[in-house]
Amino acid sequence: DGGITQSPKYLFRKEGQNVTLSCEQNLNHDAMYWYRQDPGQGLRLIYYSQIVNDFQKGDIAEGYSVSREKKESFPLTVTSAQKNPTAFYLCASSKGSEQYFGPGTRLTVT
Amino acid sequence: RKEVEQDPGPFNVPEGATVAFNCTYSNSASQSFFWYRQDCRKEPKLLMSVYSSGNEDGRFTAQLNRASQYISLLIRDSKLSDSATYLCVVGHNDMRFGAGTRLTVKP
Repeated sequence: DGGITQSPKYLFRKEGQNVTLSCEQNLNHDAMYWYRQDPGQGLRLIYYSQIVNDFQKGDIAEGYSVSREKKESFPLTVTSAQKNPTAFYLCASSKGSEQYFGPGTRLTVT
Repeated sequence: RKEVEQDPGPFNVPEGATVAFNCTYSNSASQSFFWYRQDCRKEPKLLMSVYSSGNEDGRFTAQLNRASQYISLLIRDSKLSDSATYLCVVGHNDMRFGAGTRLTVKP
């Protein structure tokens, strides 16, 4: 079964803690993306990677970090510097311009 | 001005109705256009690409107007299962998402 997996589905953390969200794909796509979605709003791009060992900041990268050591994996770390981390985080990969999304991780920070 | 704008709705229509959504974009260099569907608390799923000549997939028709910088989605013979939020996506090297238009189809 080809697809994109994200884990966990729900994640709860205390303020001040870093947390890493997992994203894995077996679609053999070169490009991968991280978005966040807040209630009633569109997706906002956090980071993207067009190729292994390379990534670029999106529109709202502050307080986040990523790595791309393997083609299949693009983990996102939400650091304590992110002021409003509670959100729905979506990972995507793309073939050309068409993006395919994982099921998302709902992060709640209290 | 937002790069991609959609009427947030909600659009409440009876089963069998025809409904149309528009989406405007600001970047005239945009080359790729898509409609995605997002169910409540789920990930967006690609509904269809939008081509310059317009394209149809069953009950769904998508059109692009480059001169006026908008794309549209027409749904004919609405089904209950069409209830969802429809996201417009526009871009060139990076893709921009609209906030979505919410559709509810009622019996």
